[in-house]
Amino acid sequence: AQSVTQLGSHVSVSEGALVLLRCNYSSSVPPYLFWYVQYPNQGLQLLLKYTSAATLVKGINGFEAEFKKSETSFHLTKPSAHMSDAAEYFCAVSDPRGSNYKLTFGKGTLLTVNP
Amino acid sequence: SQTIHQWPATLVQPVGSPLSLECTVEGTSNPNLYWYRQAAGRGLQLLFYSVGIGQISSEVPQNLSASRPQDRQFILSSKKLLLSDSGFYLCAWSSGPRGANVLTFGAGSRLTVL
Repeated sequence: AQSVTQLGSHVSVSEGALVLLRCNYSSSVPPYLFWYVQYPNQGLQLLLKYTSAATLVKGINGFEAEFKKSETSFHLTKPSAHMSDAAEYFCAVSDPRGSNYKLTFGKGTLLTVNP
Repeated sequence: SQTIHQWPATLVQPVGSPLSLECTVEGTSNPNLYWYRQAAGRGLQLLFYSVGIGQISSEVPQNLSASRPQDRQFILSSKKLLLSDSGFYLCAWSSGPRGANVLTFGAGSRLTVL
């Protein structure tokens, strides 16, 4: 079975500061990994995905994540936070061998950006 | 381009009443379809998924059911709602069988059971 753990249910940063949201995964096979963002009362939007190509993945809105197999991590970063980045962020994992493409999500990290 | 529609956006229902949430996808054929529930502080829980018409897989035993009467239509139902059914319900789709597992979500339906 696959799982993800997001360290920190709430992260607060100042505008312009580095954003670091942590995600560790557990999988018996090389996984596909994803970060999604959710704004209040909306659905989830894909930020970026890792599908066994380059380990450093760039996404939308200036976010990027690095797949580190040795650390079983897929942390999300952004060099400089904007007020518009305030949202909830979800890390997710899936088994690329499957035919139904179920994603297993972490419990989410709420990002607050202070002026 | 593909779009996903989900309705109603918000509903308040009494305990014991029935439920029907509907989701439709446009611009693609034979999508994989999913129902997730999001409860506060608990992340997203996969409830059902479907890889084709009439094919429903349940992930969590509960008083909810799902149906897929048409290729791009996915319905979440209950005969009698419980207080614990309150939450934010998200429909999603992905392409199969060789997609990179990317889920595209609808805007969600917020259910409050009183």
